[in-house]
Amino acid sequence: NAGVTQTPKFRILKIGQSMTLQCAQDMNHNYMYWYRQDPGMGLKLIYYSVGAGITDKGEVPNGYNVSRSTTEDFPLRLELAAPSQTSVYFCASSYPRGGANEQFFGPGTRLTVL
Amino acid sequence: GNSVTQMEGPVTLSEEAFLTINCTYTATGYPSLFWYVQYPGEGLQLLLKATKADDKGSNKGFEATYRKETTSFHLEKGSVQVSDSAVYFCALFLMNTGFQKLVFGTGTRLLVSP
Repeated sequence: NAGVTQTPKFRILKIGQSMTLQCAQDMNHNYMYWYRQDPGMGLKLIYYSVGAGITDKGEVPNGYNVSRSTTEDFPLRLELAAPSQTSVYFCASSYPRGGANEQFFGPGTRLTVL
Repeated sequence: GNSVTQMEGPVTLSEEAFLTINCTYTATGYPSLFWYVQYPGEGLQLLLKATKADDKGSNKGFEATYRKETTSFHLEKGSVQVSDSAVYFCALFLMNTGFQKLVFGTGTRLLVSP
């Protein structure tokens, strides 16, 4: 299993540009998440999904959109990039077996908006 | 609200020194508690977890005990190695109806020198 994969690894955007961060998992996990990690701030939840066709906002959703058309894929869309979106983005997935379940993280995408 | 507070880093130690990284939490209900580790350039990996009061999680020589009376989950290791250099995140796990959520601390960077 590849686990959780993310592309690209690095990206530089100009203000106002748009892009999609890709995330895929091959573990048949129902739950998927997008986080951003800012220096010294820990991880903040942007959006999450409990299954194909179902998504909802996390703590910091403004400026982002998501879709979940398949169990495997959970892309994150930035429509009008702003410097405040410079961050490292992590995708994660988990399987709700009941109890405290581990989230599996991808390697991250480092995004810089100039 | 739900939150996690970790000691600020970096924590700088010599190889074979004893490690403690403090973590305290506030939460409604009875959360499970996790420690995640992030090695340079990688995503987060689960290090250990505890699901109820007085449980001890352990892995790779690291230990943490869920102390409900002090709302703490401090990470310890008796003898650190250079390869333990990483950022450590304490997190609490919340189970809401239809959704599982992790709330992360800000992370503590550990630097171990030979």
